Amino acid sequence: NAGVTQTPKFRVLKTGQSMTLLCAQDMNHEYMYWYRQDPGMGLRLIHYSVGEGTTAKGEVPDGYNVSRLKKQNFLLGLESAAPSQTSVYFCASLLPVCSSTDTQYFGPGTRLTVL
Amino acid sequence: AQKVTQAQTEISVVEKEDVTLDCVYETRDTTYYLFWYKQPPSGELVFLIRRNSFDEQNEISGRYSWNFQKSTSSFNFTITASQVVDSAVYFCALSDSSTGGFKTIFGAGTRLFVKA
Repeated sequence: NAGVTQTPKFRVLKTGQSMTLLCAQDMNHEYMYWYRQDPGMGLRLIHYSVGEGTTAKGEVPDGYNVSRLKKQNFLLGLESAAPSQTSVYFCASLLPVCSSTDTQYFGPGTRLTVL
Repeated sequence: AQKVTQAQTEISVVEKEDVTLDCVYETRDTTYYLFWYKQPPSGELVFLIRRNSFDEQNEISGRYSWNFQKSTSSFNFTITASQVVDSAVYFCALSDSSTGGFKTIFGAGTRLFVKA
């Protein structure tokens, strides 16, 4: 049981390049999330998904697209990277059964630098 | 709208001191969930506790304790007898179902320095 994994761990892009971040979870969780964390700030929600084939916008969706073709995977795409997208990206998943132990499980993060 | 405020940006204590991290939240939902996460220098997010809005029972777990008060919309976190390994950024977070998807809003975090 690997939990939540993210690929890649580090990436450097040039302005205008595109890339896709992959998040995978093996816990059969329904909900998945993409956050970004900028220096000195908390996490901000980019997009999320409440199930296979569905996605929705979070607080800061501009410049990003997502897809949830399989329940276990949640992809975050940058079509034309900008320096403002330099950040650490965290993926999370959740099985919302509202139990006292229910929580979001986070991946280790992807550090992205856009030059 | 959801909002989480952690007014303390940085706190510095000497080892063995007790320290309380403050968290104030706003939500219109009557059912919601509050969390504390720890982010050590290595960068990963470590889940510490979750509290449901209908459970105001405070809890002690080892050196950690939590004080949840709905009347003041506060969910404070205390470390007793702090240790150097407690040095990290601590995030308070709020999740409710009002907009669907159990979106979680994070506070800006409190950076705790524990000096030996």
